[in-house]
Amino acid sequence: DTAVSQTPKYLVTQMGNDKSIKCEQNLGHDTMYWYKQDSKKFLKIMFSYNNKELIINETVPNRFSPKSPDKAHLNLHINSLELGDSAVYFCASSQAVTGFTEAFFGQGTRLTVV
Amino acid sequence: ILNVEQSPQSLHVQEGDSTNFTCSFPSSNFYALHWYRWETAKSPEALFVMTLNGDEKKKGRISATLNTKEGYSYLYIKGSQPEDSATYLCAFNGATNKLIFGTGTLLAVQP
Repeated sequence: DTAVSQTPKYLVTQMGNDKSIKCEQNLGHDTMYWYKQDSKKFLKIMFSYNNKELIINETVPNRFSPKSPDKAHLNLHINSLELGDSAVYFCASSQAVTGFTEAFFGQGTRLTVV
Repeated sequence: ILNVEQSPQSLHVQEGDSTNFTCSFPSSNFYALHWYRWETAKSPEALFVMTLNGDEKKKGRISATLNTKEGYSYLYIKGSQPEDSATYLCAFNGATNKLIFGTGTLLAVQP
């Protein structure tokens, strides 16, 4: 059973389209995250939700909108995709928001905008 | 801007060698330091979460130490095996409760 699963694994789409990436965790964690792996291979946090409530919102274009229907799910919707959005996006979860507990990562979604 | 730096960027060792790499992070507003192991085509997996100055943690042949006063952590691998080949990431958690990741050290262990 995959602890943190995200779909799709690969996504190729045209500029201007709207797309969503889904994430689900079955660990019973309260906190979920979206990270972006940039061109320099850094993992940078985008958003963090605790029990469906947004607690971290980094300087991310407002074309990116996370949605958490329940604490086990955190989806990422991206409007009007641009070439620069091409990256690998990772979902993660942890037991607590404070960062004292390890994060569990999904396998990543490689988004390619053409 | 919070900087988390790891060195070296990459490392090639022979099977059986012991090795270590460094993570440097801000010494103020320290909450926790995480180490993750990231194999190619997989997702990062946690090795250690360290919170106290002087902490030493061990998991099999891998161990880590923490110095929060000077802002560094070492990861040691004893008797490297080919299956240890991966990128090792550290992440700093400060007062913002955000994990700030380093770029990682890519370890390649030659059989």
